[in-house]
Amino acid sequence: AQKVTQAQTEISVVEKEDVTLDCVYETRDTTYYLFWYKQPPSGELVFLIRRNSFDEQNEISGRYSWNFQKSTSSFNFTITASQVVDSAVYFCALSVSYNTDKLIFGTGTRLQVFP
Amino acid sequence: DAEITQSPRHKITETGRQVTLACHQTWNHNNMFWYRQDLGHGLRLIHYSYGVQDTNKGEVSDGYSVSRSNTEDLPLTLESAASSQTSVYFCASSPGSSGANVLTFGAGSRLTVL
Repeated sequence: AQKVTQAQTEISVVEKEDVTLDCVYETRDTTYYLFWYKQPPSGELVFLIRRNSFDEQNEISGRYSWNFQKSTSSFNFTITASQVVDSAVYFCALSVSYNTDKLIFGTGTRLQVFP
Repeated sequence: DAEITQSPRHKITETGRQVTLACHQTWNHNNMFWYRQDLGHGLRLIHYSYGVQDTNKGEVSDGYSVSRSNTEDLPLTLESAASSQTSVYFCASSPGSSGANVLTFGAGSRLTVL
């Protein structure tokens, strides 16, 4: 069975602090895909990144970076120099190749960035 | 521009009533999904479809049904609404036949069952 765990329910930081959101996944499949979505207070779900199981390279996009480690089954998300606009709920999700885009979501981490 | 729309965006109903939430996409995507979002549970899959006339049960399908008569629409029906079905419902779509596709989500429908 597949599972995604986001142990951090809520994180509060002050603007300009760095913050890391943890994601641990479980799957026995060798081909799988990991995703992060952002849900701002307005409620829509915004895609941030997709990573496949064969690509362990870390990725950086502006203030966002992702650390994928198969050895620990983790796909952590770091925001550098956080801003108030980063306040949102962040979801990590998993899909396996044979399940045709079915996403298994973690329970989400609510990030509050205070000015 | 292609889009995925949900209606209604907000609905209040009473226990025992039938409710249908609409989802319409103009992406010409084969795959469509319904999720519900609840605090402490994240998003959980209710039903999904890989094409016309195809429907499948997800993790939390009890009390819900869907039908896929065309590519664009996947309505979600609550046959007899219960208070436990108070939730925010998201429809999503993807092109098909791969685990790598990014799901495109609708804006969500907030349902309150009194």
